[in-house]
Amino acid sequence: DAGVTQSPTHLIKTRGQQVTLRCSPKSGHDTVSWYQQALGQGPQFIFQYYEEEERQRGNFPDRFSGHQFPNYSSELNVNALLLGDSALYLCASSSILPGLQYFGPGTRLTVL
Amino acid sequence: AQTVTQSQPEMSVQEAETVTLSCTYDTSENNYYLFWYKQPPSRQMILVIRQEAYKQQNATENRFSVNFQKAAKSFSLKISDSQLGDTAMYFCAFMNSGYSTLTFGKGTMLLVSP
Repeated sequence: DAGVTQSPTHLIKTRGQQVTLRCSPKSGHDTVSWYQQALGQGPQFIFQYYEEEERQRGNFPDRFSGHQFPNYSSELNVNALLLGDSALYLCASSSILPGLQYFGPGTRLTVL
Repeated sequence: AQTVTQSQPEMSVQEAETVTLSCTYDTSENNYYLFWYKQPPSRQMILVIRQEAYKQQNATENRFSVNFQKAAKSFSLKISDSQLGDTAMYFCAFMNSGYSTLTFGKGTMLLVSP
């Protein structure tokens, strides 16, 4: 049973560019959440997708957007990249049972 | 808004010893979940243990156990018989019942030495 997968593993972009990160949830999960983890910090919630809609959103600007596909996989898009967007981006999937989120290995984004 | 505080940036312990990591949280909710996650250098966030606030009994998973004090809003993690593989960053996290988003603390780096 495959767990949560994310691609790419690493990414280097320059300021002002746009980036798309991808996540495939664990089999049987229908909800995907995205978190940003800056160096030396705990993860911060960006947004959550369920039934192809954004269900909840954290305190992140509109430059951060997402999408969920019918197969429950998800994308995170960041426009107009800033140096401060450099971080590890984590995807977590869950199902109806509350409280159990499984994390992927993350995508390390570096903005130069 | 909920907050999670981990007051120990770093902890060290020797193999086979016991160590306790501290966590406090602030919420006005009555129903919620608390978690400890482990993040080794490989970056994968791994669930260690989960506690439901309505359960008075402390959760236990093998060598890992918690001391959940709801009135004090305290949720500490005890690791018994520490192993080298326990070396990692440990995060305490909170989730409101009815929501499914996690609020994390800043983490405690645990180093287990031979």
